[in-house]
Amino acid sequence: SQKIEQNSEALNIQEGKTATLTCNYTNYSPAYLQWYRQDPGRGPVFLLLIRENEKEKRKERLKVTFDTTLKQSLFHITASQPADSATYLCAQGSGNTGKLIFGQGTTLQVKP
Amino acid sequence: DAGVIQSPRHEVTEMGQEVTLRCKPISGHNSLFWYRQTMMRGLELLIYFNNNVPIDDSGMPEDRFSAKMPNASFSTLKIQPSEPRDSAVYFCASSSPDKNTEAFFGQGTRLTVV
Repeated sequence: SQKIEQNSEALNIQEGKTATLTCNYTNYSPAYLQWYRQDPGRGPVFLLLIRENEKEKRKERLKVTFDTTLKQSLFHITASQPADSATYLCAQGSGNTGKLIFGQGTTLQVKP
Repeated sequence: DAGVIQSPRHEVTEMGQEVTLRCKPISGHNSLFWYRQTMMRGLELLIYFNNNVPIDDSGMPEDRFSAKMPNASFSTLKIQPSEPRDSAVYFCASSSPDKNTEAFFGQGTRLTVV
């Protein structure tokens, strides 16, 4: 079955450093991966999408990579700020149905 | 647009009671998803609809759960009878093919079954 995994341990980093979160998938090849941010008590909010034929995508301080050989996506936040503290979710999608399967999420804590 | 609207925001009910969660997707979106989120299992896809038709309900935990989408602007998720293990946050999300399948989530309904 399709499975998508994120490091369940919280990531603690110092303000100004680069945060790197990992998303691994097994048993399938997703057409695309998406990254979402979720704050406590709120629904996930879309950040970035990267397709299987794309190596890298950037948006302001965010960067996502997609390595189909390693079956892995990395999500980077450069020059991190305390306001970046949240849970980040990776989701895999296939085809045009829009069906999304989410990982468990990784909680990021940026300390001032 | 107000975004995806879910109601109620919080629901506390006794075991055995029927619970109905409601969702209004973003106008123009033709895909609608129901997710359940718990600490143990994360965000699980329960069922999704395309153009009001249920496409995949393999995530629905058991027959006590049912979902309907009578029209493009409304969907319900019903649990009957409810059990304490159904306690979770239930999210509705919608998407449109024009938006690269980005999903827009509602604020969620926090369900507590006692």
